[in-house]
Amino acid sequence: DGGITQSPKYLFRKEGQNVTLSCEQNLNHDAMYWYRQDPGQGLRLIYYSQIVNDFQKGDIAEGYSVSREKKESFPLTVTSAQKNPTAFYLCASSTRAGAGNTIYFGEGSWLTVV
Amino acid sequence: DQQVKQNSPSLSVQEGRISILNCDYTNSMFDYFLWYKKYPAEGPTFLISISSIKDKNEDGRFTVFLNKSAKHLSLHIVPSQPGDSAVYFCAAILAQYNFNKFYFGSGTKLNVKP
Repeated sequence: DGGITQSPKYLFRKEGQNVTLSCEQNLNHDAMYWYRQDPGQGLRLIYYSQIVNDFQKGDIAEGYSVSREKKESFPLTVTSAQKNPTAFYLCASSTRAGAGNTIYFGEGSWLTVV
Repeated sequence: DQQVKQNSPSLSVQEGRISILNCDYTNSMFDYFLWYKKYPAEGPTFLISISSIKDKNEDGRFTVFLNKSAKHLSLHIVPSQPGDSAVYFCAAILAQYNFNKFYFGSGTKLNVKP
């Protein structure tokens, strides 16, 4: 089955720790994204990558880091510099261009700071 | 500056009636629009899309209307069912050089009452 796999589904982090959220896709998509959703709010773009070994900051990149060493993988690290990391994180992918392409999402990961 | 806006955070509808979800945008260069449905603690799933050169697209109980002069699109669900209760996001695609960028609204929570 083609799709996007995020892990873990639930993650607890102590203050001051870095944590990494995994995202793998087998859709052969060039572009990958990380979004954050806070309760009752919309989707905010953290980082995106158009192609392997390239990525750009989104609207709320501070306190986060990413890498794109393989086409299939786009892990997100939530660093201790992120002041309010408790949220629902969504990974997504799409083709880079083309009329009418859609963006596909993973199932999401819940991160809670304890 | 939010280029895609959903001004109604919530909507409540009786089962069997029509649900109308609205979305406004500011950028006349958007060339494709999409609607996504999201259940709690899950990733959004693609519902329906419309090209900017059309004014209507229908798929079963779901119809999307686009009014380019008003920069407004709407999603109609007829008849509404309790299983339609979810958060609905509208999104717009801006085709840039060799890359499509996605813009999301903040979502409308639909509650269909039995």
